[in-house]
This record gives sequence, C-alpha cells and structure tokens, in this order.
Amino acid sequence: KQEVTQIPAALSVPEGENLVLNCSFTDSAIYNLQWFRQDPGKGLTSLLLIQSSQREQTSGRLNASLDKSSGRSTLYIAASQPGDSATYLCAVTGPGNQFYFGTGTSLTVIP
Amino acid sequence: DAMVIQNPRYQVTQFGKPVTLSCSQTLNHNVMYWYQQKSSQAPKLLFHYYDKDFNNEADTPDNFQSRRPNTSFCFLDIRSPGLGDAAMYLCATSPPGNWVQFFGPGTRLTVL
Repeated sequence: KQEVTQIPAALSVPEGENLVLNCSFTDSAIYNLQWFRQDPGKGLTSLLLIQSSQREQTSGRLNASLDKSSGRSTLYIAASQPGDSATYLCAVTGPGNQFYFGTGTSLTVIP
Repeated sequence: DAMVIQNPRYQVTQFGKPVTLSCSQTLNHNVMYWYQQKSSQAPKLLFHYYDKDFNNEADTPDNFQSRRPNTSFCFLDIRSPGLGDAAMYLCATSPPGNWVQFFGPGTRLTVL
C-alpha cells in the first residue's frame, strides 16, 4: 500500500525567507501528485498539480518538483509571507484511482 | 463560479442520532469523494463514486453510508454517530483522466 510522508511536521520561519517542504511516497506508480493548502477549520485548496510525466510546476511564488523514481516531491515557497501560514498537504493518485494524502506540514511565517 | 458546495458548514448532533451531510457540485465531474479528517490528521477516504458506480473503502465503518441521486449531489449518512465520528467531512470531485481533486469547504461535525 502507498505511504506518503511529509517532513517536517511543523516549520516556523521569519517573513521573507525561502523555504522547502518535503513529500515522499513509497510506490512510484503514480498518475500525479498534488499539493494542497489547508487553513485551520477549512477545506483544501489545490495549489499545484504535477502529472507523472512532468518534473515541475510553478505558480507565482510556488514551485513544485517531482522525482518519481526516488519517490520525492518538494514544494518551494519563495519570499514567505505571514499569509502563507497554513498546513500544506501533498497527495498522490495511483492505480485504481486511489488517492493518498500525507499528514501535512504546518507552516508558520513570523512577521 | 463552478464549485463544490457543502451544507451545512457546521453540524451538531447527539450521540446515536442519525445525521446527513450534503455535497453539491457545479463542475459536472463524474467522480465524487467523501473524506473524514480528524484533528491534525490527513484526510481519510470513506467512499467514492465514479458516476453511479459506488466504491467503498475496505475500512469504512458500516455506520457510514452514501447516496448519489444524480451527478450534482452526493450525501453522507451517519446512521448512529459516536463520539469518535466527530471530525471534518470533506467532499471532493474529479474529472476522469487526470484525477485532479477539487474540494469543498467541509462540514465540521460535533457529536454531543
């Protein structure tokens, strides 16, 4: 069974710093990987989707990479802002339309 | 705007009293999902529908059932809620092919 791990579980950085969130998965047979943002008590907002044939995707200050062979993805956030404070979840889609979430990284950006 | 809508946003029920959560979508997506998310945990898939084809996860308790009367609507029924069922319930949709998931805002269920 696919296992998705996110390290660290929590991260605190000063405003303006660049940061990297990590996601690893055990089974490389995936269709895609998605990064989500979740604010406290709210639903999930999709940030970036990387198809299995792609290496990276960019949206504004966010850049996500995918290395399927090593089972890793990173989410790079440039010039962090207090509004970026949230929990970031990665999820992979595998055969049979199975969708597996990581446990998330809770990010706090300190003004 | 096309979206996924969940009602109510907050639901309080009593121990053992049946409750129904609803989800609707204007995206016209074939696939709909229900997830349970407990505090500080990852969302856990309960069910998904591919059109009317129902797929139940192996470890979803029998206490949870789902209905999808048409493409736009999907319901989650909890027959006899226990204290351990208090959680955020998330509905999501997906078009077939790329399996991107679009989430609703969730319903926070409290069991007294």
